[in-house]
Amino acid sequence: GIQVEQSPPDLILQEGANSTLRCNFSDSVNNLQWFHQNPWGQLINLFYIPSGTKQNGRLSATTVATERYSLLYISSSQTTDSGVYFCAVEETAGNKLTFGGGTRVLVKP
Amino acid sequence: GAVVSQHPSRVICKSGTSVKIECRSLDFQATTMFWYRQFPKQSLMLMATSNEGSKATYEQGVEKDKFLINHASLTLSTLTVTSAHPEDSSFYICSARAPVGYEQYFGPGTRLTVT
Repeated sequence: GIQVEQSPPDLILQEGANSTLRCNFSDSVNNLQWFHQNPWGQLINLFYIPSGTKQNGRLSATTVATERYSLLYISSSQTTDSGVYFCAVEETAGNKLTFGGGTRVLVKP
Repeated sequence: GAVVSQHPSRVICKSGTSVKIECRSLDFQATTMFWYRQFPKQSLMLMATSNEGSKATYEQGVEKDKFLINHASLTLSTLTVTSAHPEDSSFYICSARAPVGYEQYFGPGTRLTVT
């Protein structure tokens, strides 16, 4: 099956800092989603981005499908950005999401 | 839009009993729903894919007789953990695929503790 690797595994930021999270995947995909899992466990949809670039407020994401990676940018980080960020992909020949290991982000005030 | 609910949010049960978890898509119809399991500080692992009106497809290593899945309507899927044991304690999360495209929306999860 498809392999999904996220880096870094852990990230500590000072409030106001910018950061980039990376997701590498091993095969062609027809779905790539970024999620933020809050402290209560709820997965919040951030982006549905199998290719291209999208922006939503302080967050933006870029997927380069031909090179099999996606980047999530967090700008001017806030303490509420803390949590775990997951990348998940659905390979073209499949019918299910495969999750990466996640990046655990802590934003300090 | 695209809201998925789960009930209950938290359940504690004794070893040997069965527990049913409901997953509902509130504002859209979902022909396909998914059940995941997440252990502390780990990623989500897919347990099974649930298609309305047909049998669920289980991932390798998931006991279909222990984790019973029923997708009886386009808005409801249920997961029943039968004869639960302490090792079944985990966070169970469902998702529903959007009616158009591939995007999935996730429920808030159910924390199961088996004593």
